[in-house]
Amino acid sequence: AQKITQTQPGMFVQEKEAVTLDCTYDTSDPSYGLFWYKQPSSGEMIFLIYQGSYDQQNATEGRYSLNFQKARKSANLVISASQLGDSAMYFCAMSVTGGFKTIFGAGTRLFVKA
Amino acid sequence: GAVVSQHPSWVICKSGTSVKIECRSLDFQATTMFWYRQFPKQSLMLMATSNEGSKATYEQGVEKDKFLINHASLTLSTLTVTSAHPEDSSFYICSARGGGLHTDTQYFGPGTRLTVL
Repeated sequence: AQKITQTQPGMFVQEKEAVTLDCTYDTSDPSYGLFWYKQPSSGEMIFLIYQGSYDQQNATEGRYSLNFQKARKSANLVISASQLGDSAMYFCAMSVTGGFKTIFGAGTRLFVKA
Repeated sequence: GAVVSQHPSWVICKSGTSVKIECRSLDFQATTMFWYRQFPKQSLMLMATSNEGSKATYEQGVEKDKFLINHASLTLSTLTVTSAHPEDSSFYICSARGGGLHTDTQYFGPGTRLTVL
């Protein structure tokens, strides 16, 4: 069975510092995709970054990078130079390539302090 | 690119009435659309998956006759909550897949907050 685990219900970070949000996954399928989404208080789900299981390099998108450790089945999100606007709920998700569903973790709420 | 709209953004209705929520992919053709429900401080719960021109696939425990899904075109899916009751009050959010660089990526609408009195 596929599973996404986010063990940090809440995280605090000082503005301008980097923060890592943890995500581990479980699947027996060799081909899968990993995603991170941001959900601010407005409720919309904003796509941040994608990592394919066969990608050799870690994905990066601006201040976001995904620390992909395949052997450990982890896909942590690193946000560099945190900003106040980064305060939000963050969801890690996984889809099996060719499958129809994406499963989501429980989420981590990030608080950025001024 | 890969923009999904959802309408209305919020709705208040009386118990027993039906409410229709629209989900549109604005700049791409969505091969698949998804409907989720989210309770406060919880993760997304998948309700159903729909493909254009075919019947939606509902998740276990989701009442098909209660939550009617129509995927009329590659850019439009609708969710109708029939005979709504207070327990149906929730945040409903749709997503579409088929746009963007990676075909597995789901792009979400802004969500609809439903309150049933």
